[in-house]
Parts: sequence; C-alpha cells; structure tokens
Amino acid sequence: DAKTTQPNSMESNEEEPVHLPCNHSTISGTDYIHWYRQLPSQGPEYVIHGLTSNVNNRMASLAIAEDRKSSTLILHRATLRDAAVYYCILRDDRYSTLTFGKGTMLLVSP
Amino acid sequence: KAGVTQTPRYLIKTRGQQVTLSCSPISGHRSVSWYQQTPGQGLQFLFEYFSETQRNKGNFPGRFSGRQFSNSRSEMNVSTLELGDSALYLCASLGQGHTEAFFGQGTRLTVV
Repeated sequence: DAKTTQPNSMESNEEEPVHLPCNHSTISGTDYIHWYRQLPSQGPEYVIHGLTSNVNNRMASLAIAEDRKSSTLILHRATLRDAAVYYCILRDDRYSTLTFGKGTMLLVSP
Repeated sequence: KAGVTQTPRYLIKTRGQQVTLSCSPISGHRSVSWYQQTPGQGLQFLFEYFSETQRNKGNFPGRFSGRQFSNSRSEMNVSTLELGDSALYLCASLGQGHTEAFFGQGTRLTVV
C-alpha cells in the first residue's frame, strides 16, 4: 500500500485557518487522496477526498500538488470541535480498504 | 437515515474466552469492513465483507474471523482471547459507488 507522512501534531488558535500537510511521494495513478478525522471517543469521520484537482466541501478544502506527491487539508476557521486526529489516506477506489497511518493530532486553543 | 450501529459498546472478557461483536451497516450498504485500534498499533484493517463474501483480509491471526449475513449485518469473532486483543473494534460501511466510509462508534473490548 502507498504510504503517507504527516506531522505528529499541530496547534492552532480558534478561528484561525489550519493547513495540515501530507506527503505521499509513492502515490500511484489510481490512488485517491482521502482525509478522515477522529474525534475523541468516536469512530473516524470522512472529511474530504480528491484525485488531481483541488476540492472544497462544507467541512474543508483539499489542495493537491501538481505532481500529486503532497496535499494539504485546509480548515478555514478552526473551532474547538475540530480538535481531532486527522488521517491522510491513499485509497485505490477499486477497493474499500483504508490504510491508516498515525495521523496528525490537531490541538485547538481558545 | 440511521448510522452504523455496533453492539455492544463495551465488553470485558477473560483470557481464553471468545467474543462476538456485531455491526449493522447503513441501510443499503453492502460492504462492511472491520478495524482494530490500539494505542501502539493505531488503526489496522482486519477484513472486509461484501454481499456475504470476504473480499479482503488484513494481517491478523486466524483467531480473528468474521461473517456477513444476507441483510448485510456483520459479526466478527475472536477466539482464545489474549490480553493484546484489548482494543477498540470499529466497523465501517460503504455504499456501492460511494467513496465515503461511515464508521460506527466502536466496541471497546477489554481482556483481563
């Protein structure tokens, strides 16, 4: 499985933008970039996914590098409820399996 | 629309016993995957079932098994429990053509 590299943790202040980076230099042409987050005591929750173009939804934006070897999840205004572990995952959409790494723990301060 | 339901939420078992966990996916979803989460190993894929057939399997010993019923509900079974099996067990359901996996809240298994 293709691997991703994320910082162990990041900190942000409430109402500020947050940029969560992810490196995936071995990404293959059929891999989609997925982001999930896990709040304390909950199962993971889908955030966003993309293939080549930047993507926006109500939760976040996903910026994908032109060579697809890295991506950035952007939370436009962090809230305390965004404090979670964020996972960047490469998934071949022919399969359902998600291979989780260690993720980035996002701490949000008031 | 009801979410993914896992039962029970918490379970305490003794070493050597066996345990069965249940997962009811979102209505209409035919794919159910199981994951184990521990502080040391993180989230690890156990297996996936689709239309009552195991479609993919992770790197876990044969003590871990599962099945899926015709209504897409799935069970996983762990036999001869070991202390290291203490973990949060999560199941995820996926609809056909959808790329978003929906996770349940998990079953917290403690082996003593």
